[in-house]
Amino acid sequence: NAGVTQTPKFRILKIGQSMTLQCTQDMNHNYMYWYRQDPGMGLKLIYYSVGAGITDKGEVPNGYNVSRSTTEDFPLRLELAAPSQTSVYFCASDGDVSNEKLFFGSGTQLSVL
Amino acid sequence: KQEVTQIPAALSVPEGENLVLNCSFTDSAIYNLQWFRQDPGKGLTSLLLIQSSQREQTSGRLNASLDKSSGRSTLYIAASQPGDSATYLCAVDSGGYQKVTFGTGTKLQVIP
Repeated sequence: NAGVTQTPKFRILKIGQSMTLQCTQDMNHNYMYWYRQDPGMGLKLIYYSVGAGITDKGEVPNGYNVSRSTTEDFPLRLELAAPSQTSVYFCASDGDVSNEKLFFGSGTQLSVL
Repeated sequence: KQEVTQIPAALSVPEGENLVLNCSFTDSAIYNLQWFRQDPGKGLTSLLLIQSSQREQTSGRLNASLDKSSGRSTLYIAASQPGDSATYLCAVDSGGYQKVTFGTGTKLQVIP
């Protein structure tokens, strides 16, 4: 059971480039989330999804886009990367609104130079 | 807006000591509270989840308590080991799909 898998683990982008962070889970969870973690700050929610075809903005969505074509996959797209998007990105999932533990991927460390 | 605070930001203890990590939150209307462990360069692993109707949860050497009325939770680690060295984060679920507010964590170092 792989849980939540994120790729890549590390990436360096130049300002203005685009990329997609991949996230897949094999637990048949309906709920999936993208967070970013900055030094000294708590995790901030970027986007979330409550099921295939349904996504919505979190606390810090600007500069990002998501899609959810299947239950398993929830990619995060960065368009026109900016230095402010340098961060560690985590994908997470759970199976219920309020009663289950969150499962996290191992993270993607992104630097925009 | 829910705010979650963890103090201290860092803690260093000798091996074998019992220790308590603190988490406070501003809005007592919560569904649950989770304690996570994060190792350097890794994702978060959920250690314990306490439902709003519960007072505590235990797993091995870990015990988490919840006092909603005072907006506090503690994570008790018994007989600490060097392998317990990590950052511990608490997260409060206030309901709704925006759901979880994370604290900034306490970085624990257990010295052999």
